[in-house]
Amino acid sequence: QLQLQESGPGLVKPSETLSLTCTVSGGSISSSSYYWGWIRQPPGKGLEWIGSIYYSGSTYYNPSLKSRVTISVDTSKNQFSLKLSSVTAADTAVYYCARHMRYCSGGSCYSGAGDYWGQGTLVTVSS
Amino acid sequence: QSALTQPASVSGSPGQSITISCTGTSSDVGGYNYVSWYQQHPGKAPKLMIYEVSNRPSGVSNRFSGSKSGNTASLTISGLQAEDEADYYCSSYTSSSTLYVVFGGGTKLTVL
Repeated sequence: QLQLQESGPGLVKPSETLSLTCTVSGGSISSSSYYWGWIRQPPGKGLEWIGSIYYSGSTYYNPSLKSRVTISVDTSKNQFSLKLSSVTAADTAVYYCARHMRYCSGGSCYSGAGDYWGQGTLVTVSS
Repeated sequence: QSALTQPASVSGSPGQSITISCTGTSSDVGGYNYVSWYQQHPGKAPKLMIYEVSNRPSGVSNRFSGSKSGNTASLTISGLQAEDEADYYCSSYTSSSTLYVVFGGGTKLTVL
């Protein structure tokens, strides 16, 4: 059974960098069938896709966050990570990691549903 | 990029059927069959209920079904049960940027 687990500080100061890691167990991150993504949910609000990575290292980011986001992968540890710089109180949220289905056709690839999710971790931005 | 449009809330009585709509554009819902639906109970992670518009993952009740017409996708829950009370989110691949995923704003389902 695939499992994803987020880890990282629960409190980050304004203007600093938020760093989270997602550890994947029960399956390999080096699969051509999936992307690995980060999604966040501010308290009482909806879901927001932050970005995704393919095991080869190709990254895809939400344009609204692109200037502050870096997602990386470590296939040797079966982990992928999120860094969000220059955080403000608006970045306070539950952060989820998830596995997304990957479809390829005619030379293009598309991201589909997130079939496995981590339990989520609350990150609060406050001094 | 705007989120997909969902009603803020829907309600129904046990045993009834309800439908939640998810409206996008030809760049997302209308252009691709990569629409999915998630159920989220308070304090829990989202759970995949429907993928590729109408497919159910293993273990998801057949009371849940999905469909799409034009730029609008729909989730139908039949035979409502108390345990179905939750927030529901739709999601779609969108071509408005390089590999981009967009979510709906969420719908609160109340079982009366």
